[in-house]
Amino acid sequence: RKEVEQDPGPFNVPEGATVAFNCTYSNSASQSFFWYRQDCRKEPKLLMSVYSSGNEDGRFTAQLNRASQYISLLIRDSKLSDSATYLCVYNGGSQGNLIFGKGTKLSVKP
Amino acid sequence: EPEVTQTPSHQVTQMGQEVILRCVPISNHLYFYWYRQILGQKVEFLVSFYNNEISEKSEIFDDQFSVERPDGSNFTLKIRSTKLEDSAMYFCASRAGTSGGGGGEQFFGPGTRLTVL
Repeated sequence: RKEVEQDPGPFNVPEGATVAFNCTYSNSASQSFFWYRQDCRKEPKLLMSVYSSGNEDGRFTAQLNRASQYISLLIRDSKLSDSATYLCVYNGGSQGNLIFGKGTKLSVKP
Repeated sequence: EPEVTQTPSHQVTQMGQEVILRCVPISNHLYFYWYRQILGQKVEFLVSFYNNEISEKSEIFDDQFSVERPDGSNFTLKIRSTKLEDSAMYFCASRAGTSGGGGGEQFFGPGTRLTVL
């Protein structure tokens, strides 16, 4: 089983749409989870950490379900600038090495 | 805002040659990492470095790879004898480490694109 599985997309949505991404992970011992954003040929940048209680940052909401080993990201009121690849990531060890999914590509159209 | 920097932005080399990729982490950070991303693939962990030694490494990080922190600012990745399959984007990252247990945000540099011919 792959460590992190994501739907590669692409998700093509109009501006203003709500879009949701899901991710499953295999390591049940993982403690820390994140969503990163990566623009084409750029470095990954942290979008938000993910907590069991769910957390929201503006138009972005992340949720973690440990029992199902499932993480989600909801983007409301999509902007053109949200177009990017969204990476599901977890902390793979005590030294903080990150395990990345392959990413889900989002394209927001005018 | 402090940032991680990497040089060069693009390195072209012949198969079998040695390359050194350079990184300057954020100055008060304690944990340093190298990752690579082959074109069209996921970002993969290579190695973590703390307290002047390797703290963890992946299967990818074999004897052809080494890391060094030669002074208080630079963090380098050396590939001794490059192979075609080493062609990838190499990202350096650093983390403050204040939150312990491996948590805390990792800040990534812009990457070095390595092309092995």
